[in-house]
Amino acid sequence: DSGVTQTPKHLITATGQRVTLRCSPRSGDLSVYWYQQSLDQGLQFLIQYYNGEERAKGNILERFSAQQFPDLHSELNLSSLELGDSALYFCASSRPPDTQYFGPGTRLTVL
Amino acid sequence: AQKITQTQPGMFVQEKEAVTLDCTYDTSDQSYGLFWYKQPSSGEMIFLIYQGSYDEQNATEGRYSLNFQKARKSANLVISASQLGDSAMYFCAMREPQNNNDMRFGAGTRLTVKP
Repeated sequence: DSGVTQTPKHLITATGQRVTLRCSPRSGDLSVYWYQQSLDQGLQFLIQYYNGEERAKGNILERFSAQQFPDLHSELNLSSLELGDSALYFCASSRPPDTQYFGPGTRLTVL
Repeated sequence: AQKITQTQPGMFVQEKEAVTLDCTYDTSDQSYGLFWYKQPSSGEMIFLIYQGSYDEQNATEGRYSLNFQKARKSANLVISASQLGDSAMYFCAMREPQNNNDMRFGAGTRLTVKP
């Protein structure tokens, strides 16, 4: 158990819908990272937050957004969902520049 | 540009044997970190081992060791005494402090341990 929690574990929704994925980092970690893992794209970095502020952006679509709250938990919002958004979404946390520890992931299926 | 290259999509190893998973990387930074993660079929990403670019000794964690050859820009993972539970995907990753500490992952190697 990495200490990073993610909910929900599985999510099934329809195209055009909006979903929110939630992540709670390890105790004491100020940084949260979001990744998308799909079969054709591999593991892709989406976005990083540090102590409530956006720190870095990767290959995140404009339909996706994230935020980190004062209690350091983070949410990833995915809107106008497409079939191609089906993937495993990971959250990781760290005390930069230390090792990133990953949560169990949320498997999103868009039908 | 691809920064992390794992050239072995799949590997097989006999139980109790050692296996080396290859990883090469590309960076112009002097300071960087190299990581290996394991992803079993259940899906979670498990941190295995870390090597800093300035570390003179190769990192070891139990049955895992990292064969770090800085001049060749390679960071191969060696798993000794393979176990059936080692069957999984293995990802090499690099963190570059000058790139906001972003982590870049390789495409992964699927290791299958045969009984």
